[in-house]
Amino acid sequence: DAGVIQSPRHEVTEMGQEVTLRCKPISGHNSLFWYRQTMMRGLELLIYFNNNVPIDDSGMPEDRFSAKMPNASFSTLKIQPSEPRDSAVYFCASSRGGPKFFGPGTRLTVL
Amino acid sequence: GQQLNQSPQSMFIQEGEDVSMNCTSSSIFNTWLWYKQEPGEGPVLLIALYKAGELTSNGRLTAQFGITRKDSFLNISASIPSDVGIYFCAGPANAGGTSYGKLTFGQGTILTVHP
Repeated sequence: DAGVIQSPRHEVTEMGQEVTLRCKPISGHNSLFWYRQTMMRGLELLIYFNNNVPIDDSGMPEDRFSAKMPNASFSTLKIQPSEPRDSAVYFCASSRGGPKFFGPGTRLTVL
Repeated sequence: GQQLNQSPQSMFIQEGEDVSMNCTSSSIFNTWLWYKQEPGEGPVLLIALYKAGELTSNGRLTAQFGITRKDSFLNISASIPSDVGIYFCAGPANAGGTSYGKLTFGQGTILTVHP
C-alpha cells in the first residue's frame, strides 16, 4: 500500500514568493496533520483536519500560512509570502483513529 | 500543553551494545508513542503504549509505560548499524488526551552506532 505522499520533496524559493506544499494521505484515513520540523523547535504541529474539516490550527505561525483539505485525498499547505525563517522540513501525517503515519516530508529553503 | 523531556540528546555506541533512552512529561499521559526518524524520511512509529506499567516489545526494541504515567523508556538490545537515526517519544498534547489528535514530541535522541 502507498504511504502518505508529499510533493515536492525539495523546494527552494526566494523570500516573498508563494509556496504550496501538497499531501495525499493514506486511503481510508480520515485525519490529516501538518507538522514542521526545525533544529531549534523540533517537531511542531501546525494544523490538523478531521474528515476534511480543520479542527485545530493553533499551531499555524501567522496569517502567511494557510491550509486546505478540499477532499479526503488531498491537502495543501500554503505560505504567502515566504520568509527565510520558514525554512524547515514540513511533514504531512494521516491516521484513522489511531497512530499517525508520516510522509517523507518536503524540505523548504527560503533564500 | 504537555512538555516532554527526552534524554540523552545523543548516543554513540558500538555495534552489539544495548541502548536505553527515556522520556519524562510534566503531567500525566494516557498514551506514550515511540518513533524513529531516519535521514531524509518522516518519523515511523515503533511502539505505542496505552496503559501504565505496560511493557511492549517490537523485535529488539522494548518500551515501557512508567507506573507514574509521567515517563516512558525505550531499550534497544544488541544494536546494529541500521538502528542509526533519531528516536522520538510523543504523547497527547493536551492533558487527558489520546494519541489520535494533537501530539507533542520530545526533542529526540540521536543514535549513532559504530560497526
